[in-house]
Amino acid sequence: AQTVTQSQPEMSVQEAETVTLSCTYDTSESDYYLFWYKQPPSRQMILVIRQEAYKQQNATENRFSVNFQKAAKSFSLKISDSQLGDAAMYFCAYRSPNNAGNMLTFGGGTRLMVKP
Amino acid sequence: GAGVSQSPSNKVTEKGKDVELRCDPISGHTALYWYRQSLGQGLEFLIYFQGNSAPDKSGLPSDRFSAERTGGSVSTLTIQRTQQEDSAVYLCASSLRLAGSLIYEQYFGPGTRLTVT
Repeated sequence: AQTVTQSQPEMSVQEAETVTLSCTYDTSESDYYLFWYKQPPSRQMILVIRQEAYKQQNATENRFSVNFQKAAKSFSLKISDSQLGDAAMYFCAYRSPNNAGNMLTFGGGTRLMVKP
Repeated sequence: GAGVSQSPSNKVTEKGKDVELRCDPISGHTALYWYRQSLGQGLEFLIYFQGNSAPDKSGLPSDRFSAERTGGSVSTLTIQRTQQEDSAVYLCASSLRLAGSLIYEQYFGPGTRLTVT
């Protein structure tokens, strides 16, 4: 079974600065999908960014980008120009290509605080 | 359009009572998922419905947990004889399987916070 680990329970960043959230995973599969979700206090999970393992190019969505290191099984999220609205829980998630149900395996989450 | 909705938003129940949690997926979405988010932990998969197929119940933690999806739309998660360890946020998600796509984005509801006293 796959596991996803987020080693940083909490992170703090100054507004307008850059922060990187870490995620590692364990899998024996060669092709899979990785995701970062944001969960604000409203509890509603929002997809931030996704990465297909067969793509070497790191995914980017505006201020959000990933550093995908397949050999190291690492999938970190970089948030540039941090804004107060970025404060939330961030979850890394894995999906197997053999998973017909599309279920996600989540890490334990990182709470991001943004200081004004 | 409307997103995934869940009710109630919060539920407090006494140990040993049964509870029902409701999820209304996005209209037209064929897949529906239930996840549980315990305090300080990530989300764990509970159960998955896809169309008229038999649900994947592999994530249900015990036989006290069950779920149904009526008419391919609304789903109810039932927890019988609740225990304190059942206290958690229960999240529902739905997705639309796109032809030719291998990635089906899941849209989450706001969850139900269950507290068992």
